[in-house]
Amino acid sequence: QKEVEQNSGPLSVPEGAIASLNCTYSDRGSQSFFWYRQYSGKSPELIMSIYSNGDQEDGRFTAQLNKASQYVSLLIRDSQPSDSATYLCAVGPGGFQKLVFGTGTRLLVSP
Amino acid sequence: GAVVSQHPSWVICKSGTSVKIECRSLDFQATTMFWYRQFPKQSLMLMATSNEGSKATYEQGVEKDKFLINHASLTLSTLTVTSAHPEDSSFYICSAGGQNSGNTIYFGEGSWLTVV
Repeated sequence: QKEVEQNSGPLSVPEGAIASLNCTYSDRGSQSFFWYRQYSGKSPELIMSIYSNGDQEDGRFTAQLNKASQYVSLLIRDSQPSDSATYLCAVGPGGFQKLVFGTGTRLLVSP
Repeated sequence: GAVVSQHPSWVICKSGTSVKIECRSLDFQATTMFWYRQFPKQSLMLMATSNEGSKATYEQGVEKDKFLINHASLTLSTLTVTSAHPEDSSFYICSAGGQNSGNTIYFGEGSWLTVV
């Protein structure tokens, strides 16, 4: 069974710090990797997507992928209280095949 | 990013009635749509995958006769909860992907269903 593992948290960081969120997956054939942010009572919102090994940066967010270790992470620099949410890691085989979601890591950024 | 719209955002219905939720891709053709259910403080649970013009593929444990999914066009999929019961009360979310969505799957805003 394909699995995506995340620490449920909460991960607490002070405002301005770097938040590091981690995710491991079991299916070595996975080709697409996504981070979604979900506020309480709202639908997930796409933050980052990454498809090849290495780092990918978008503003304050950096996604890191290591396929050999089956590991994907999300770094949030200069964390803000508005970043407080649950972050979902999702992994897929590529194309528009169904994604397997982790249970999410709850991030709390204190002012 | 691409836009996926869901309607209604919230609905209250009486036990035993049916309710329909619509999912539309507004600026791309959604060849594949997914329907999820999420209970409070729990993760997303995939219910079914629907491809335009074909029958939906349901996940194990999801009753296909209770949760009717129709994906008749490249921009619209519907989920009908038939003979709803209070235990069906949940947050239902669709997602979609297809050409011109940048090889990415986008989520609709979600629909809160309360069965009384």
